[in-house]
Amino acid sequence: DTEVTQTPKHLVMGMTNKKSLKCEQHMGHRAMYWYKQKAKKPPELMFVYSYEKLSINESVPSRFSPECPNSSLLNLHLHALQPEDSALYLCASSQDPSGGLRDTQYFGPGTRLTVL
Amino acid sequence: GENVEQHPSTLSVQEGDSAVIKCTYSDSASNYFPWYKQELGKRPQLIIDIRSNVGEKKDQRIAVTLNKTAKHFSLHITETQPEDSAVYFCAASNAGNMLTFGGGTRLMVKP
Repeated sequence: DTEVTQTPKHLVMGMTNKKSLKCEQHMGHRAMYWYKQKAKKPPELMFVYSYEKLSINESVPSRFSPECPNSSLLNLHLHALQPEDSALYLCASSQDPSGGLRDTQYFGPGTRLTVL
Repeated sequence: GENVEQHPSTLSVQEGDSAVIKCTYSDSASNYFPWYKQELGKRPQLIIDIRSNVGEKKDQRIAVTLNKTAKHFSLHITETQPEDSAVYFCAASNAGNMLTFGGGTRLMVKP
């Protein structure tokens, strides 16, 4: 299995809802990432997990709460989002969290989130 | 932190011509430079990458060059085809593996 998968593909939620995005990889990668991508913009890093521990939080608002239950799964819990949070949320994984020669990041297909 | 600038923002070429996209980075500690292709509504897909101990890398019609002294790297696509049309992103990463992306280049290959 050489893919990163994400569910759901699309999500529409109100500002008072609580929802979760899921990401899964079975490549044995030990680093996982959440990115946010607005239309016609590059992906922006949100969080990095290394060996299931949060290693980087790029000053993301607390209404986004990441979770890494095990080495294959990554969740992003959403609560009280704003319309400006509407975007494509991409998950990625890489083999070696410390970088080096095995740090290629592979992206999932993304979840397109719309906040009403 | 790292800052990556990418030019041009749009590029239109005739099928069969070459396309060149250029990026500059600011952090001399960056040591890994991937290029991603993103088609409309799809995920970014790695097309080629280069590490700081190498000056040039080629894979069929795609090549990347790196000038560490000047802190710039470039993507070269030869014999372009309509299916090369997409948005291309360069990125730079340091040992902490934080990818910083350039602003993207929309490449249009006209048949």
